[in-house]
This record gives sequence, C-alpha cells and structure tokens, in this order.
Amino acid sequence: KQEVTQIPAALSVPEGENLVLNCSFTDSAIYNLQWFRQDPGKGLTSLLLIQSSQREQTSGRLNASLDKSSGRSTLYIAASQPGDSATYLCAVQASGAGGTSYGKLTFGQGTILTVHP
Amino acid sequence: SQTIHQWPATLVQPVGSPLSLECTVEGTSNPNLYWYRQAAGRGLQLLFYSVGIGQISSEVPQNLSASRPQDRQFILSSKKLLLSDSGFYLCAWSVRRALGAQYFGPGTRLTVL
Repeated sequence: KQEVTQIPAALSVPEGENLVLNCSFTDSAIYNLQWFRQDPGKGLTSLLLIQSSQREQTSGRLNASLDKSSGRSTLYIAASQPGDSATYLCAVQASGAGGTSYGKLTFGQGTILTVHP
Repeated sequence: SQTIHQWPATLVQPVGSPLSLECTVEGTSNPNLYWYRQAAGRGLQLLFYSVGIGQISSEVPQNLSASRPQDRQFILSSKKLLLSDSGFYLCAWSVRRALGAQYFGPGTRLTVL
C-alpha cells in the first residue's frame, strides 16, 4: 500500500526566504507526482506535475524535483511572499489493475506554510 | 479551457437525511472523474472513480454511492447520512488513459448534525 509523508507539517518563515517542502513515498512504482496548493476552505490548485521519467519541473518561483528510486520529491519556493501562505499537498499517481491507468492519487497530509511580512 | 463545477458549495443536513452532490466538467470529453473526501485529521481520501458513463468503482466501503448519468456529470449520493459523513467533498477530473494531472473543483462543505 502506497503511503505518502510530508515534512514539515507546518512551516512559518519571513517574507523573502527560500524554502523547501519535502514529500516521500513508500512505493517507487509511480507514474507521476503532483504538487497542489490549497487555500482555506477552497479546492486544490495544481502547481506542478512531474512524470516518473522526469527529474524536475519549474513554474515561476516554484521548482519541484523527483528522485523516484529513493521515493522523494521536494518543492522549492524561491523568494517567498505572504500570498504563498497555504497548505501544500503532494500526491503520487498509481496505475490501475491490468495496465489501465485510472489515475488514483495518494495524498500526503500536507505542509501548512505561513509567510509573514 | 476546462472548468469543473460543484454544487452546492455548502450544505447542512440532519442525520438520516438523503444527500446529492453534483459535479460537472466543461471543455473536455470522456474524462476520468473522481470523488474525494477531506476530513479533519485524515487527509484526502479517494471515494469513487469513473472511467465512463455508468462505470463506477468504489475505493472504500461506506454509506455513500456515486453515479455517472452523463459523460461529464458525476453525482455523489446517500440515502441516509451519518455524522461521520461530514467533511469537504472534492470532485476531480483527468484526461482518460493519459498519465496527466488531476484538476479539482471548488468543493462542497457538508456538515451533518
């Protein structure tokens, strides 16, 4: 059974700091890994998707890396801003039985990020 | 572009009452559709997924059921709600048979009293 762990559970940093969020998973047989952002009371916003064959993806101030063999991913946020405050979730996608991918995601518990001015 | 809608946004229901939550997707055809629940302290849990009209798979035994009457419509139901059904329900879609991203709706906050 796939298990996903995110460390730290919460993080509070001053504005402008670079920071790293960590995600680990127990079963390295994944198709991809996705990072999401969730604001309080809202749905999930997709930030980055890394395919299992890729090492990293970048979008603006965000960079996500994937080391599939060791079961780890990191989300790097450069020059953090108060608007980055949210819960960050990582999720890994498994394949379905018989080779049919139905895209089941297994989520970590999330990291609550607070960036203060 | 693709859009996913969920309604209602919030719902307060008494124990034992029925439930119907609706999710619709615009701008894509033949999507995979998913229902997740986010409960306090338990993270996000996949409840149901569907790869086509009338095709529903359940991930966990529970008091809920799902249906897909149309290609881009996914419904979550219950005949009699339990207190433990309270939570934040999220619908998501992805391109079928492609190892791509999942995109989530705005969610429905359900409180069972």
